[in-house]
Amino acid sequence: GAGVSQSPSNKVTEKGKDVELRCDPISGHTALYWYRQSLGQGLEFLIYFQGNSAPDKSGLPSDRFSAERTGGSVSTLTIQRTQQEDSAVYLCASSLQREWYEQYFGPGTRLTVT
Amino acid sequence: EDKVVQSPLSLVVHEGDTVTLNCSYEVTNFRSLLWYKQEKKAPTFLFMLTSSGIEKKSGRLSSILDKKELFSILNITATQTGDSAVYLCAVVGNYGQNFVFGPGTRLSVLP
Repeated sequence: GAGVSQSPSNKVTEKGKDVELRCDPISGHTALYWYRQSLGQGLEFLIYFQGNSAPDKSGLPSDRFSAERTGGSVSTLTIQRTQQEDSAVYLCASSLQREWYEQYFGPGTRLTVT
Repeated sequence: EDKVVQSPLSLVVHEGDTVTLNCSYEVTNFRSLLWYKQEKKAPTFLFMLTSSGIEKKSGRLSSILDKKELFSILNITATQTGDSAVYLCAVVGNYGQNFVFGPGTRLSVLP
């Protein structure tokens, strides 16, 4: 079966532009997470979706960051007015609700802001 | 503020050696501690630990949690070059699903 997929795999953008990153979770997984990993750093939690519940946005670093999940499946992370410090690998993960701890990660999107 | 500290940050060993990776944490309303292996981009789940003193084991890997002293260790015996990776420790509290990850330990196993 297909794993978590993310697109694009790489994105180079100019400072000030908006970007959209996409995540397709594993079919049937109700939980979806976004993380950011800067060079040499651990994963930084951004946002969590679980079913139809309100998302946990506590990790979003600023109001330039937003995410939505349509139909309980695909999710899009949007970064407005990108800054150089936004450069990182953005990872998406999904899991079953009952096995919430076993997150399956996508390959990530490497974002470079020039 | 929830925090996870891992040590060492980097470790180089030879095949056949045994390694111990450390993870200490501070978290509000602890729920569980998790270990992941990250070889390239996507981390893969290894263990979830919720109760103190109960060892989780998978092949040459094992892990245990001490909730009194707020730490966990991950042991790898008879290391192989395929064990080379970054090992991430994460904790999650009871409120929400905010996983707090440590910086990871980069393990390099030389032939």
